[in-house]
Amino acid sequence: KAGVTQTPRYLIKTRGQQVTLSCSPISGHRSVSWYQQTPGQGLQFLFEYFSETQRNKGNFPGRFSGRQFSNSRSEMNVSTLELGDSALYLCASTRGSLAGGETQYFGPGTRLLVL
Amino acid sequence: AQKITQTQPGMFVQEKEAVTLDCTYDTSDPSYGLFWYKQPSSGEMIFLIYQGSYDQQNATEGRYSLNFQKARKSANLVISASQLGDSAMYFCAMREPLLGGTDKLIFGTGTRLQVFP
Repeated sequence: KAGVTQTPRYLIKTRGQQVTLSCSPISGHRSVSWYQQTPGQGLQFLFEYFSETQRNKGNFPGRFSGRQFSNSRSEMNVSTLELGDSALYLCASTRGSLAGGETQYFGPGTRLLVL
Repeated sequence: AQKITQTQPGMFVQEKEAVTLDCTYDTSDPSYGLFWYKQPSSGEMIFLIYQGSYDQQNATEGRYSLNFQKARKSANLVISASQLGDSAMYFCAMREPLLGGTDKLIFGTGTRLQVFP
């Protein structure tokens, strides 16, 4: 069974640009969560989608947005990039919900560098 | 608010030896779940082991076992017979409830494990 896939793996952008990251969950998984990992802040929750609906959002500015498609694939978008957005962005999928005692499985991440 | 604490920024262990990575947590919720993930330099977070708060026995998965001490609020990861490929960052995580009946994971700061020959 294929794991969580993320594209692209590496990305270099300049300040003010926007970026779109993609995540394909494990087959049969309907929940997709996004996390940002930085050396200073560690791992922080961005948002979670289930059946094309955002169920929850972390404490990030409105420049961070996402969506989920009917096939459960998800994209996240960051507009007006800032230097501080440089991070590893991790996508994780769950069959239904962590609250139901399930496990989140992570993808390889997208390393974003903002110059 | 819930919290995960990993007090060991780095650990060294010799190949074939066992090593314990510490994790303590704080929660007022009687139902919770604890996870350990491994993150090699490639960046991917690899799920290792899960312990539910109501599980009667300590979780085990191959060379990984979880020393769960509920009263002390600790969930230490034990890796037996360390291998060079075990060198990585290890994160302890816990489910945190969110509004709407869903959860997110909150993570500790991680422990970097170095296995030497």
